Parts: sequence; C-alpha cells; structure tokens
Amino acid sequence: GAVVSQHPSWVICKSGTSVKIECRSLDFQATTMFWYRQFPKQSLMLMATSNEGSKATYEQGVEKDKFLINHASLTLSTLTVTSAHPEDSSFYICSATGLAGSRMETQYFGPGTRLLVL
Amino acid sequence: GIQVEQSPPDLILQEGANSTLRCNFSDSVNNLQWFHQNPWGQLINLFYIPSGTKQNGRLSATTVATERYSLLYISSSQTTDSGVYFCAGRIQGAQKLVFGQGTRLTINP
Repeated sequence: GAVVSQHPSWVICKSGTSVKIECRSLDFQATTMFWYRQFPKQSLMLMATSNEGSKATYEQGVEKDKFLINHASLTLSTLTVTSAHPEDSSFYICSATGLAGSRMETQYFGPGTRLLVL
Repeated sequence: GIQVEQSPPDLILQEGANSTLRCNFSDSVNNLQWFHQNPWGQLINLFYIPSGTKQNGRLSATTVATERYSLLYISSSQTTDSGVYFCAGRIQGAQKLVFGQGTRLTINP
C-alpha cells in the first residue's frame, strides 16, 4: 500500500520551454502533497507544500511564479516548471500523505523526475 | 542552527559487516523517520520511530527522544543495502519534514 507515482521519470527540454510533472497517489487519498528538489550528492530540499483544493505554500526562496503547483484532486498534484533554464536541471521528487483508512504517520515518496534543460 | 544532523557522511564496508548510522536532531524536530534512497533515486520508508526501538529483518532503529538522537543499525550488510540513508523529522506544528544530509553507504562484494 501507499504507492506514489510520478510522470515522466525523466525529461530533456530546451531552455525557455515549460515542463509539467505529475504526482499521483495510487491507493490512498493524498490530502497533502510535497514537492522536493535534489541536486547531485545533496539532500532533499522542500520546495512547497500543497493541500488539496488550496493554494500551495512555498518555501523561502522558491519562486511561485516559476514553479506552479496544482493539487486539484485527492490523488493528483502537478508541478510546472515555467520557462525552464539550465539551472532548473535537477531531480524533482514528490511525496504524499493523507488517509489510508486512518491518518498516515509519514510521507510516501514518488520515484522522482530527472529534468535536464539544455 | 542545524536541525537534523547525520553521521558519518560516508561509510564503505564489505558485505557481511554491521553498521550503525546516527542522527541528532534539535528540540524543534520530532516524529523521527528513516529512509533509504536507492541508486535510482527512489526513497523507501524504513522506520517511523518517534521513540523506542523497532526492527524489520536485518534493520533496526532506536530513537532516544529525550537525548535527541536516533540510531539505525544494519546487520549482515548486502550489496543491495548500498545507497543513501536519510533521517528526517517533522518541524513542530508543521506538516513538513526536514532532512539530514544523509549517510552514503557503499557495500562492496
């Protein structure tokens, strides 16, 4: 149980284009989803927290107009990197927590999306 | 200050060895958890351990909340145990997790 999927698993795009990443909870209702960014050999850095039906809460230093987050349903959140530039190249990971019969104690993570902006 | 701190940063062992990974956390952090990030990047939940001791096969974890530390034990290491081990805790009053910098474990055959 508690499976989270991400799509695509990797994407290569040209500078200036926008990229959308989907995060889905497959077997539970994700009342809260989180988006992280991870650079090589570094830890996970939280970008934003989104609750279903509400605007996302962004961490300090994360541009909300550049990283658009939508959490329109209890099983789907999307992250759109707008006008991507090479410095946006990174490993993006989503996680989810919510209800699986009862409130979950922890977050469950998707497999991540590797973004390379040329 | 640093809220979650892990040691050692790197650990290289031979297959079959035992290891202990440490996580220190500050007063503002609770609900300690351990994750394993495999070489493909997937984070796998190992333990949710705000206090006490839990065991799952060759892995066990102990959190002493009053002394603000947690330990992850790996016995009889296998090459598939390689990867990065993260501890993380919840900021009090918030939903979000704060992660340590991780311990990179390499198990050689």
